[in-house]
Amino acid sequence: DQQVKQNSPSLSVQEGRISILNCDYTNSMFDYFLWYKKYPAEGPTFLISISSIKDKNEDGRFTVFLNKSAKHLSLHIVPSQPGDSAVYFCAASGNSGGSNYKLTFGKGTLLTVNP
Amino acid sequence: DSGVTQTPKHLITATGQRVTLRCSPRSGDLSVYWYQQSLDQGLQFLIQYYNGEERAKGNILERFSAQQFPDLHSELNLSSLELGDSALYFCASSVGRQGRGYTFGSGTRLTVV
Repeated sequence: DQQVKQNSPSLSVQEGRISILNCDYTNSMFDYFLWYKKYPAEGPTFLISISSIKDKNEDGRFTVFLNKSAKHLSLHIVPSQPGDSAVYFCAASGNSGGSNYKLTFGKGTLLTVNP
Repeated sequence: DSGVTQTPKHLITATGQRVTLRCSPRSGDLSVYWYQQSLDQGLQFLIQYYNGEERAKGNILERFSAQQFPDLHSELNLSSLELGDSALYFCASSVGRQGRGYTFGSGTRLTVV
């Protein structure tokens, strides 16, 4: 059962335009959400996060929006740059019956930013 | 350099064999997590250790086992290897038991032939 879903395996945008990556989740116990970026031959690196008590968090060119009622979050990158080309993973955590706030990841979306 | 060290970076082995993957967490981090990334799959959680104790188990096969040593490094043991075990294996660490944010290593690519 995929509790975190990224339904778009890939996305291609032009440099300077907005990139919007989407993520849906099914587990209502999730209360913290993160985005990771992964380049080839490297491990994922943390990008931005949001707590369920907020609906928006912004960090430079990156903004994450959370819609709890729809169990949906999105990552906006404005403006997109060629160096943003990578796989983006959505992840979620919550109390799983102890103090084991493991992260549950989606399958990732490959973003390609064309010059 | 993320501070999380995984060795080896690449491993090629035959079916039926046993391998050990090693992870040294970032200095000060007590939690270690192991994830598997297969083709077209996301990061599948395998197991978590906190300060030497197992804290959570995910989709880890019985042929796989792990441990965390007193110096906090961790090893993932994979035995009776099958072709389907070929994947990237990532280790991540965090300060506490609550993995609000991980620091990942660069992974070990395992190829079973």
